Amino acid sequence: NAGVTQTPKFQVLKTGQSMTLQCAQDMNHNSMYWYRQDPGMGLRLIYYSASEGTTDKGEVPNGYNVSRLNKREFSLRLESAAPSQTSVYFCASSADSLRELFFGEGSRLTVL
Amino acid sequence: EDQVTQSPEALRLQEGESSSLNCSYTVSGLRGLFWYRQDPGKGPEFLFTLYSAGEEKEKERLKATLTKKESFLHITAPKPEDSATYLCAVQADTGRRALTFGSGTRLQVQP
Repeated sequence: NAGVTQTPKFQVLKTGQSMTLQCAQDMNHNSMYWYRQDPGMGLRLIYYSASEGTTDKGEVPNGYNVSRLNKREFSLRLESAAPSQTSVYFCASSADSLRELFFGEGSRLTVL
Repeated sequence: EDQVTQSPEALRLQEGESSSLNCSYTVSGLRGLFWYRQDPGKGPEFLFTLYSAGEEKEKERLKATLTKKESFLHITAPKPEDSATYLCAVQADTGRRALTFGSGTRLQVQP
């Protein structure tokens, strides 16, 4: 019973490098989300996808891009990583945009 | 702009010592208020959704209540396994509808 699976769990990048965080859910949920969590700031929404084929910006989208590959998968890309993007990233899904979120275990990213 | 403020930032209790966590919110129109539990190194885990003032929900030693301006998470006779960070989030009834989270209350229950 996997739920929401994120890869990788840990990653270290140098400034300017690019990478993609992968997320997949097996609950047949329509909506998917990417959040970042920083100490003392809570979870902040980066991008979300209310349904397959749509994506929208959240609170902190600058420096990120997303792709809703299909109903199961939602990836987050950093084109040119910056130290300010050092954070823990969480993917989440929900049955629809009005329901509770189910979170993955997180991906801890460090940008040097 | 939707805002969520949680207090206290951290709380240390003795096993069996009941207390409450506070979540104050500002939102143009509240569709739902959510409580989550987060263990270290893990993703948040859903606990409750409250939709209207006066509503209460319970799960084991936890009870969540809602007023028009705040929500409380009451913890009755806590055990060490209740130690975690508790997150509150609001969902507006218009616009984006994505959750806005508070920064959490870190609860430690000592045996």
